Amino acid sequence: EVHLVESGGGLVKPGGSLRLSCAASGFIFSSYSINWVRQAPGKGLEWVSSISSSGNFIYYADSVKGRFTISRDNAKNSLYLQMNNLRAEDTAVYYCARASIEAFDYWGQGTLVAVSS
Amino acid sequence: EIVLTQSPGTLSLSPGERATLSCRASQSISSNYLAWYQQKPGQAPRLLIFGASSRATGIPDRFGGSGSGTDFTLTISRLEPEDFAVYYCQQYGNSPRTFGQGTKLEIK
Repeated sequence: EVHLVESGGGLVKPGGSLRLSCAASGFIFSSYSINWVRQAPGKGLEWVSSISSSGNFIYYADSVKGRFTISRDNAKNSLYLQMNNLRAEDTAVYYCARASIEAFDYWGQGTLVAVSS
Repeated sequence: EIVLTQSPGTLSLSPGERATLSCRASQSISSNYLAWYQQKPGQAPRLLIFGASSRATGIPDRFGGSGSGTDFTLTISRLEPEDFAVYYCQQYGNSPRTFGQGTKLEIK
């Protein structure tokens, strides 16, 4: 069974940094692109970043470009999101989601990032 | 960037009724890479429909997707109590992948 489990969220001050992780199991991790999607409190879904199966192709939303870095370790079946220079508007639940030809077919339960002084 | 506009913002219906949700794109979506997700409070989104009209694994056949180009529809033929939730469309053919703002389906 496919499982994605996010961790690393928490409360951080504006300008601070946080590193999120997503642990994958139940599928061949190295064969799939993975995405980060976030949801601010009471708001809709916002795609944040994606990384191809090999890590060679990486994309970011304009809202996080230059501040966030996505990476993966296929040997550890893990995805990461390094978030620097955090702002209040980055406050959200962050989900990792597997991408296939069937869109984002599996999602983790999310981890909450709160940016506040 | 492809902008997706969902309508209506809120839809109030009763169990047993038919629901029709709309998603309009600012430009044509390549290869009909349009998906629909359901999200309930406190839960992660769940994939319902991919490729505009294909049901994801385990999704009941009362959920149906249609459309092409810039206009897409999610239809729920007979609403069950568990169907009341927020629904999002998403295009995944172009980067950035974008979502619509959501339609809240509430019990009338």
